Amino acid sequence: KAGVTQTPRYLIKTRGQQVTLSCSPISGHRSVSWYQQTPGQGLQFLFEYFSETQRNKGNFPGRFSGRQFSNSRSEMNVSTLELGDSALYLCASSLGANRGEAFFGQGTRLTVV
Amino acid sequence: AQSVTQPDIHITVSEGASLELRCNYSYGATPYLFWYVQSPGQGLQLLLKYFSGDTLVQGIKGFEAEFKRSQSSFNLRKPSVHWSDAAEYFCAVVAGAGKSTFGDGTTLTVKP
Repeated sequence: KAGVTQTPRYLIKTRGQQVTLSCSPISGHRSVSWYQQTPGQGLQFLFEYFSETQRNKGNFPGRFSGRQFSNSRSEMNVSTLELGDSALYLCASSLGANRGEAFFGQGTRLTVV
Repeated sequence: AQSVTQPDIHITVSEGASLELRCNYSYGATPYLFWYVQSPGQGLQLLLKYFSGDTLVQGIKGFEAEFKRSQSSFNLRKPSVHWSDAAEYFCAVVAGAGKSTFGDGTTLTVKP
């Protein structure tokens, strides 16, 4: 069974641009969560989607948004990029039970210059 | 609000020595707890989990963890560390639908 796939693996963007990251969950998993990982802030929860609906949201500005498609694939979008958005963005998928275990992708390394 | 504390930022052990990584949590209800490992530039791999039942749980790669409700702890242990265990380790509590709260991580260095 294929794992969680995140694309692209690496990305360099300029301040003010926008970016879209993609996550394909494990087959059969209906929940996709997104996390931002930085050396200073650690792993921080962005949001979670289940069956195309956002169920949970972290404390990030509105520049960070996401969506989920009917095949459970998810995208997250960051608009008006700032230098501080440079991070490893991790996606995790799970079956969707409220307290199920999550399986992580390898992440997308975003660098904002 | 839920929180996870990993008191040790960095731990160094000799290869073959035993290991214990500490994790303390704060959560109002019965916690669902996890330990993950992350190699540089990679995602997180699940080592083990605690949902309920036996408080000593076994995981992959020879790791185990013990849940102690009275101490709000979920410490990770391994009897004999291998050089390939060098990585960063994260303790997490599931705080809601699809949402986990992570500790700041403990970086493990293994001396030959």
